[in-house]
Amino acid sequence: NAGVTQTPKFRVLKTGQSMTLLCAQDMNHEYMYWYRQDPGMGLRLIHYSVGEGTTAKGEVPDGYNVSRLKKQNFLLGLESAAPSQTSVYFCATVGRDRRGEQYFGPGTRLTVT
Amino acid sequence: AQSVTQPDIHITVSEGASLELRCNYSYGATPYLFWYVQSPGQGLQLLLKYFSGDTLVQGIKGFEAEFKRSQSSFNLRKPSVHWSDAAEYFCAVGAFYSSASKIIFGSGTRLSIRP
Repeated sequence: NAGVTQTPKFRVLKTGQSMTLLCAQDMNHEYMYWYRQDPGMGLRLIHYSVGEGTTAKGEVPDGYNVSRLKKQNFLLGLESAAPSQTSVYFCATVGRDRRGEQYFGPGTRLTVT
Repeated sequence: AQSVTQPDIHITVSEGASLELRCNYSYGATPYLFWYVQSPGQGLQLLLKYFSGDTLVQGIKGFEAEFKRSQSSFNLRKPSVHWSDAAEYFCAVGAFYSSASKIIFGSGTRLSIRP
């Protein structure tokens, strides 16, 4: 089992460009989350999903969109990247038993110039 | 709304000394509580979790945490730290319902170890 994988691992964008980050999981988990991590800010929840076809806003959703068309994949989109979106992005999943233990992906380091 | 406060941004302790990292949360009911550790350039690793029952929770690497409902706290402790414990520590609070299940993290406490 690969667990939680994130693609790509690194990316550099110019302001205004768009991109999609992919989170894939093979654990059949219901819940999936996208966080961004910035120095001194901890992890802030961007969007999350409680099941296939559903998404919800987290703490800092502006400038991002998400989709969960398949249970195993959770996509994070940046339509028009801004330097303020330079960050490390983590995906996480939680299983149906709702015990809350999150399984994290390895992260994607995004730089917007 | 849920929130988590870690009041200490950076703590330095001597190797072999005891450690306590503070965490306070705001939530309307009994939440799910977690402590994670992150080494530089790495992802997050779960140290321990509390859902219900015994308020003193044992975790990996010799860590423990105590849930105190009256103080809305979930402080992390270790009796004797090792140089390898230097890392960033995150407290998190979660709530799970069919329509809204999410986990919120504190801003983290960076732990340095003095030789």
